[in-house]
Amino acid sequence: GAVVSQHPSWVICKSGTSVKIECRSLDFQATTMFWYRQFPKQSLMLMATSNEGSKATYEQGVEKDKFLINHASLTLSTLTVTSAHPEDSSFYICSARVSRDQNEQFFGPGTRLTVL
Amino acid sequence: AQKITQTQPGMFVQEKEAVTLDCTYDTSDPSYGLFWYKQPSSGEMIFLIYQGSYDQQNATEGRYSLNFQKARKSANLVISASQLGDSAMYFCAMRERNDYKLSFGAGTTVTVRA
Repeated sequence: GAVVSQHPSWVICKSGTSVKIECRSLDFQATTMFWYRQFPKQSLMLMATSNEGSKATYEQGVEKDKFLINHASLTLSTLTVTSAHPEDSSFYICSARVSRDQNEQFFGPGTRLTVL
Repeated sequence: AQKITQTQPGMFVQEKEAVTLDCTYDTSDPSYGLFWYKQPSSGEMIFLIYQGSYDQQNATEGRYSLNFQKARKSANLVISASQLGDSAMYFCAMRERNDYKLSFGAGTTVTVRA
């Protein structure tokens, strides 16, 4: 099956700093990548959808200036949490879709962010 | 409005027994897809099974089967012959035709007892 990687798998940072999380499709080209946030024992909440070469589409309530998404190539999307605060501590998961006809999204292993 | 509802926060099942996880959905789109994912404590999302709204037969994948009742808008997951490794959180999700995004339910935590 298709493989999606995320880096780093976990990160601890100080409040006020920025953190970049990478999402890569390793063996396929992803036309669309999705970024989710998951708080402990809760569901996945979609933050934004990114298509290669265009601006990301953010879900209602997600601050686009705080969560910067860049989809520079068909195999890489990055999420930057700017000026992170403790309430941004969460599990961030990306997923990738090959094409519109593809039913399945392939998920990355997630990145656990802890902001002190 | 909630698109996917999973009413069971947690379930216990004896090893080797079957367990049914409930999922109901809400959509007015005639074309949609339903997914089940497993999330172990490591956090990775593992795709289990898919059911399309026009599929005539219930989907099956090994020990996983989906009890699709379209009129009731339910898509329950049945795990047969439970194993200790099945202990995890399980999410039901839906994709509508005009919206390629996935909507997830709240999840059900399954604990398999030896």
